[in-house]
Amino acid sequence: DAGVIQSPRHEVTEMGQEVTLRCKPISGHDYLFWYRQTMMRGLELLIYFNNNVPIDDSGMPEDRFSAKMPNASFSTLKIQPSEPRDSAVYFCASSPPGVQAFFGQGTRLTVV
Amino acid sequence: AQSVTQLGSHVSVSEGALVLLRCNYSSSVPPYLFWYVQYPNQGLQLLLKYTTGATLVKGINGFEAEFKKSETSFHLTKPSAHMSDAAEYFCAVINTGGFKTIFGAGTRLFVKA
Repeated sequence: DAGVIQSPRHEVTEMGQEVTLRCKPISGHDYLFWYRQTMMRGLELLIYFNNNVPIDDSGMPEDRFSAKMPNASFSTLKIQPSEPRDSAVYFCASSPPGVQAFFGQGTRLTVV
Repeated sequence: AQSVTQLGSHVSVSEGALVLLRCNYSSSVPPYLFWYVQYPNQGLQLLLKYTTGATLVKGINGFEAEFKKSETSFHLTKPSAHMSDAAEYFCAVINTGGFKTIFGAGTRLFVKA
């Protein structure tokens, strides 16, 4: 398996624009997680899914953030409208239950 | 609720010296504990994990960690640091129900020549 695949690796966008981050989890993993990493706040769990269903989105910072998982092999994290303070590295991870999370390489988002 | 505390946001050692990165956790149930490593511009990679059984666990790159229930600790060690060990290290615990990983704030390891 190629591991968790995220795209794009880097994204630069202007404030106010919509940004969509994509993730393909490892086949057979029931859980999918979206994390955000910044210098100030470290690794924050934004939302996670179990069998494509959102279970806990309490970490999503604002209504500008939304995430979907239309099927077992694809998830998106959308920010609309984007703001400079959204600049961070966004990680997607997947796992079977009770096992360590497998991380993608991350998407570095810069909002100017 | 589970939580993880990593003591020291930065640790600096000389090449060949002992590496000790500290991690304490809180959990109301027996935890699963992990150490991850993150190299620059990379995702997090699992170093080692403790689930059940032997309390001393060995991981990749010569690292090991010992689960001490009485101290609620899971410190990471390596006898001899190498320049390639310079990275950020995260301690983590899986919460009750075993689904959501809770991460510590991370410790950046610097290795001096």
